[in-house]
Amino acid sequence: DGGITQSPKYLFRKEGQNVTLSCEQNLNHDAMYWYRQDPGQGLRLIYYSQIVNDFQKGDIAEGYSVSREKKESFPLTVTSAQKNPTAFYLCASSIGNRGSNQPQHFGDGTRLSIL
Amino acid sequence: RKEVEQDPGPFNVPEGATVAFNCTYSNSASQSFFWYRQDCRKEPKLLMSVYSSGNEDGRFTAQLNRASQYISLLIRDSKLSDSATYLCVVRFTGGGNKLTFGTGTQLKVEL
Repeated sequence: DGGITQSPKYLFRKEGQNVTLSCEQNLNHDAMYWYRQDPGQGLRLIYYSQIVNDFQKGDIAEGYSVSREKKESFPLTVTSAQKNPTAFYLCASSIGNRGSNQPQHFGDGTRLSIL
Repeated sequence: RKEVEQDPGPFNVPEGATVAFNCTYSNSASQSFFWYRQDCRKEPKLLMSVYSSGNEDGRFTAQLNRASQYISLLIRDSKLSDSATYLCVVRFTGGGNKLTFGTGTQLKVEL
């Protein structure tokens, strides 16, 4: 089945620890995105990538890092500099053609909590 | 002012009712519009794109009013399974392929 796979589903972070969230897609999409969602709030963009080996900061990139070495993979690292990491993290992808009317499709998310 | 604004609800309606949600956006240079549905503790799923001429998909009708900068979603003959949060989503011109999400409107359909 084609889709977006996020892992793990639940993740616990200790103080001062970096953790990495996985996102893999087999839809052959060029663009990939990371969002976080907090209770009662909309999705906020952390980082996005329109093409392999290139990515841009979103609205709340501080304390996060990403890489895009392969088209199908866009891992997100939550660093110890992110002081409030507890949230629902969502990865998305889209065909990514500039100017196209393409929606984004989401993985089923990772819930990150502080121990 | 938020870029995309929605009434958070909740909207509590009886099964079979017709319900409408509105969403306003601040940037007149907006390119694309979508409605997503999000179930509790799940990922958002695309419900429908919104086209300038309005469009319908079964019991769901989406309308776009560029002059007033709002989008609407109408659900007819509500089902229990329609209970969810509905997210209004806008792609702004010049934003590349980035989407801006509203905080969502919660719908509860009751017996």
